Amino acid sequence: RKEVEQDPGPFNVPEGATVAFNCTYSNSASQSFFWYRQDCRKEPKLLMSVYSSGNEDGRFTAQLNRASQYISLLIRDSKLSDSATYLCVVRRGNQFYFGTGTSLTVIP
Amino acid sequence: GAVVSQHPSRVICKSGTSVKIECRSLDFQATTMFWYRQFPKKSLMLMATSNEGSKATYEQGVEKDKFLINHASLTLSTLTVTSAHPEDSSFYICSARGTDGRQDTGELFFGEGSRLTVL
Repeated sequence: RKEVEQDPGPFNVPEGATVAFNCTYSNSASQSFFWYRQDCRKEPKLLMSVYSSGNEDGRFTAQLNRASQYISLLIRDSKLSDSATYLCVVRRGNQFYFGTGTSLTVIP
Repeated sequence: GAVVSQHPSRVICKSGTSVKIECRSLDFQATTMFWYRQFPKKSLMLMATSNEGSKATYEQGVEKDKFLINHASLTLSTLTVTSAHPEDSSFYICSARGTDGRQDTGELFFGEGSRLTVL
């Protein structure tokens, strides 16, 4: 079983739409959770860490459900510039585990 | 915040030659760095964990003699692709755990990546 499972998409949504991504992790001992954004031919960049209480940064909301072992990312009022691949990353000890990434295209 | 720099960003080489990629942590010390490979439209694949002052830990299926990793200082790790072949062409990315100087902040910071093309 993979450490991190993520729907690869693609998600094609119109501007202004709300879109949500989910990611599940297999090991309950996982300690830290992150969403990264990766643009084509670029390195991943941290979008936001995910905290147990949930956290929000502008149009982006991240949530963690430890009981069900999943994390989510909600993007409201999608912009064209949100088009990218969103990577779910889980940390356990010294190791980081990556989802396959979810491709998002925001359409005018 | 923590910054990781990777060089070169692009390299084209002939088959059979060796290519060295550098990964530097610019404003923090990184005892551990990670090297990844990424194919088009695929996720990052961890190749090895680079440990300062000791041998790298390679993932299953990654050839140690093919991908030489050296982490000689707290701010520099290098990946050398030896006797490169066209199938080694890929996007190679390094990363390091961020720190505020006193403790690990938890997240990963990535280098800009190096696109290798072997002719």
